[in-house]
Amino acid sequence: DAKTTQPTSMDCAEGRAANLPCNHSTISGNEYVYWYRQIHSQGPQYIIHGLKNNETNEMASLIITEDRKSSTLILPHATLRDTAVYYCIVRVAYRGGGADGLTFGKGTHLIIQP
Amino acid sequence: DGGITQSPKYLFRKEGQNVTLSCEQNLNHDAMYWYRQDPGQGLRLIYYSQIVNDFQKGDIAEGYSVSREKKESFPLTVTSAQKNPTAFYLCASSPSSSGLNEQYFGPGTRLTVT
Repeated sequence: DAKTTQPTSMDCAEGRAANLPCNHSTISGNEYVYWYRQIHSQGPQYIIHGLKNNETNEMASLIITEDRKSSTLILPHATLRDTAVYYCIVRVAYRGGGADGLTFGKGTHLIIQP
Repeated sequence: DGGITQSPKYLFRKEGQNVTLSCEQNLNHDAMYWYRQDPGQGLRLIYYSQIVNDFQKGDIAEGYSVSREKKESFPLTVTSAQKNPTAFYLCASSPSSSGLNEQYFGPGTRLTVT
C-alpha cells in the first residue's frame, strides 16, 4: 500500500469546517483512499473512502485531487466530539490472496476548540 | 445490538503467563483482524482471518497465536514469548475478504503485564 503523510496535529474552532490534508503521492491506480478516526482509548471508526471522485456521507466529505496525489477530509461543522486522531490510509481494493489488514500511520490529532 | 465485543476492557497479568483476549462479532462478517497499538502510535496488524479455520500472520505475529473455529469468534493468545506484551489490543471485522469493505472495530482490551 502507498505511504501517506499527514500533519501531526491541527486545531479547529467549534462550528467551523475542519479540513484535514493527506499526501499520498505514490498512490497507484487501483488504490483507494480511506479515512478512519480514533477517539481516545476507543477503537477506530470508519469515516469515508473514495477512488477518484469526491465523496460525501453523513459524517464528512472527501476531496481527492485530479492527480490523486493528495486528498482532504472535510468535517463541515466540527463539534467537540470530533476531537480525535484521524488516519488517512491508502489501500488496494483487492489482492489475490484476499483482504489483509489496514496500515495505520500516526495520523493527525485534531483538536476542536470551544 | 449488532457489533464487536472485546472483553475484558482492562487485563493484568504477570510476566511469563499466557493470556487470551476474546473477540466476538454478531455481524456475520467473514473477515476478522487483530491489531496492537502502543502509546502515540498507529495500529499494527498481528493476525487476520478471511474465513473460518483459516488465518494468516500480519506484520508482528511473533509471540501471538490465534484460532478461528467459529465465524463469530477470533480469540488472540498473547504468549510468554512476546517480549513487550503491554499494549492496547483491537479486534476488527469486515463483511468480506474483498479488501474494499470498511473494517468495524471493537472497543479494545488494554493489557498490562508486570
